[in-house]
Formats: sequence, C-alpha cells, structure tokens
Amino acid sequence: ETGVTQTPRHLVMGMTNKKSLKCEQHLGHNAMYWYKQSAKKPLELMFVYNFKEQTENNSVPSRFSPECPNSSHLFLHLHTLQPEDSALYLCASSQDVGGVETQYFGPGTRLLVL
Amino acid sequence: DAKTTQPTSMDCAEGRAANLPCNHSTISGNEYVYWYRQIHSQGPQYIIHGLKNNETNEMASLIITEDRKSSTLILPHATLRDTAVYYCIVLSNNDYKLSFGAGTTVTVRA
Repeated sequence: ETGVTQTPRHLVMGMTNKKSLKCEQHLGHNAMYWYKQSAKKPLELMFVYNFKEQTENNSVPSRFSPECPNSSHLFLHLHTLQPEDSALYLCASSQDVGGVETQYFGPGTRLLVL
Repeated sequence: DAKTTQPTSMDCAEGRAANLPCNHSTISGNEYVYWYRQIHSQGPQYIIHGLKNNETNEMASLIITEDRKSSTLILPHATLRDTAVYYCIVLSNNDYKLSFGAGTTVTVRA
C-alpha cells in the first residue's frame, strides 16, 4: 500500500461513453499527477496539480478532463475516447512539485476503449 | 536531462543479491539518481534515490561511482516478489517529469 488509491481498477467503455477515474491520496501531499502508460511505450505525464491548481497540461487531448477539488482527490473525466486511449492510467502524489520529491503511485486503472 | 542506459534483462537466484547497473554518463551536478520498479500490472514503486553518496534503506542500497557516471542498485536478498521492471532515472531538483525508459526486467528464480 502506497497511500494512493485509484478506482476503478479496470474499466471498459465504448467510444460514446462518459466515465471518470478517481484518485485519492492519504499522505498529506500537495501535488498530484496523472500518467498514461501504454503497452510498449514509456510512461507519459498528462497533468500536474499543485495545491489544487493545474500546473502542467502535457498537450493532452480535450477528451481527457482533469479535476482536482482538493489536495487529496484527483479525477480524470473521460468522454468520446478512442481505442488508442486504451492504457493503464496512473495517479501519483508527492509532497510538493519538484525533482527531489518522491512520487508515490497508485495501482492504476486499466482502461479498455472499444 | 541525462539519459540512462540499463541492461534489458537479468536473472537472479532467490536469496542472492541482485546487482542492477545503470549508466548515466551525461549526468549533471544537480541531477539525482532515482530508482523505481514496476511489478506486473501494478503502479510504479519508489525504491531509493541519491545524489553523490551511497544510500541504503529497507528495500535496497544504491552505490554511485565517484564520477557519478554510473550507479548500481543492490537488492541484498532477492525474493520472488522482487520480479519486476526496474527503472533508473535521473532528475534535476527542479524537474518532476518522471520518464521511464525500457528499464531492466529482473526475474528472480527459485
């Protein structure tokens, strides 16, 4: 247990569906991250939030919409996804944003878009 | 950012030490060496990090050469649950973008 939980662990959705991924951290951290990990590809940073404010959007398509209501919770709202969006979506948190701040990952949500 | 080079895979016998090398010959003075691992179908897990000095925690030891151009992660007594992909990453103190390369696939065998 890393102190970062993600739900659901697995999700299958059609291209017209709307769904949300949830991440919660119990570590008292100020920064939260969304990553995408596709098969045979490196980890890709999607979004960064620091003190509930988005500090990074790594050119992510608008069909992915993040929400950070407080420092402990992070959501990723999904709509009209494409099959190539199928991947493992990972949430992470760190005390603050910075290279020496260790990031703690959740178990991920395995997403399949049909 | 400095790039890292790791062997693609390695096998290790259960109970023996596993020594995982990483080359980072272009590392800058303010860049740290981080190690993470990812067990199949799980999120990445932080192992250890260091700047210049050798480091040890409950999971592993990190040995960094004096010129900082390479390092070795040591798992002192490998278990079957240590089977994972191990990633060596270098990060400056103002960079938070973790970038995992291919890593080293470590298989611990009974």
